[in-house]
Amino acid sequence: AQSVTQLGSHVSVSEGALVLLRCNYSSSVPPYLFWYVQYPNQGLQLLLKYTSAATLVKGINGFEAEFKKSETSFHLTKPSAHMSDAAEYFCAVSPSPGGSNYKLTFGKGTLLTVNP
Amino acid sequence: DGGITQSPKYLFRKEGQNVTLSCEQNLNHDAMYWYRQDPGQGLRLIYYSQIVNDFQKGDIAEGYSVSREKKESFPLTVTSAQKNPTAFYLCASSIAPNYEQYFGPGTRLTVT
Repeated sequence: AQSVTQLGSHVSVSEGALVLLRCNYSSSVPPYLFWYVQYPNQGLQLLLKYTSAATLVKGINGFEAEFKKSETSFHLTKPSAHMSDAAEYFCAVSPSPGGSNYKLTFGKGTLLTVNP
Repeated sequence: DGGITQSPKYLFRKEGQNVTLSCEQNLNHDAMYWYRQDPGQGLRLIYYSQIVNDFQKGDIAEGYSVSREKKESFPLTVTSAQKNPTAFYLCASSIAPNYEQYFGPGTRLTVT
């Protein structure tokens, strides 16, 4: 079984401030982990992915995430928020390929607001 | 450009009518998925298909049906048996199960 918990359904930051969006997962097998971004009335766009290589993963738009196995976490960060970062962010987990569970499990999302 | 298309963007139907949502991909991906998104609930998997002519129920398949006759197409039918069909529907594909999924722009269905 696998699950994802995103702490905080709504995060608000000032422009230029650090963005930290939290994601904790549970998985009975080595996981693949993903962060997606969704702008209003649009589909999801892949920001970055962890696939058991480097634990610090860099993505698009200046975002990065660090896989911490001991904490079962995969938090998303960006050093300096921009107005265009305002969106909803989803963390997702899947078993690494070869597992019998083919599902990608999503968290419930975190809405990021950026204040001028 | 490779990608996933969903049509239409907005769809309105009367209660009791079946409606089919289109999803086409030209990424040459084997796996395709349908999700339903409601406010505050994240994404819930309706159906998925790992290969042509094969598909499996997801977490909320009741009231929905799919077909996968071609690799690039995975239409979703919302039947009159679906109790609360009004939602945002997202189609996705991946090169293989467990790999990252790529999403279409979504279809917003409103049933009155």
